[in-house]
Amino acid sequence: GIQVEQSPPDLILQEGANSTLRCNFSDSVNNLQWFHQNPWGQLINLFYIPSGTKQNGRLSATTVATERYSLLYISSSQTTDSGVYFCAVDHGNQFYFGTGTSLTVIP
Amino acid sequence: NAGVMQNPRHLVRRRGQEARLRCSPMKGHSHVYWYRQLPEEGLKFMVYLQKENIIDESGMPKERFSAEFPKEGPSILRIQQVVRGDSAAYFCASSPTAQAGTFGNEKLFFGSGTQLSVL
Repeated sequence: GIQVEQSPPDLILQEGANSTLRCNFSDSVNNLQWFHQNPWGQLINLFYIPSGTKQNGRLSATTVATERYSLLYISSSQTTDSGVYFCAVDHGNQFYFGTGTSLTVIP
Repeated sequence: NAGVMQNPRHLVRRRGQEARLRCSPMKGHSHVYWYRQLPEEGLKFMVYLQKENIIDESGMPKERFSAEFPKEGPSILRIQQVVRGDSAAYFCASSPTAQAGTFGNEKLFFGSGTQLSVL
């Protein structure tokens, strides 16, 4: 199957700081989504982004499908941004998830 | 428009008992996926179903696990004779009908998960 790698695995930020999370994948994909898993375990859709750039408030994402990576930008981080961020790629009959980036934002 | 509904939210079973996890997809969604998440790990694909059909069960353990998505009612993930290693969070996701002959261009929506604890 396809390999999906996320970096960094862990990240600690001071409130107000910016960060970039990366997702690399080893094969071509049909689409890609970013999810945020909050401390209560809920998985929230952030972006559906097979290619190009999208922005939603303080978050934005860019996928360069030809180079097999996607980036998630978080600006002016808040404590509520804490949790685990997953990218998931559509390859074949299923979505494959990366191992996630665990983000902790401290006040 | 209600989201993906999973129940129960928490399920406690003793070793050897059966666990039944239910998932109702979003309205208008005919594709259901089950994922398992162990502590401190990502989500692992288990099975992909459409109404009355199992499309891909390559992630399902060969024994004790089964899934169905009947014509009427929710999708069910069934674990027989549970063992402690089955303790995990089980997530269901749904997506709209795919374009014919393709799998792309679908967006996954997740339920809140069922936390299974085996004593």
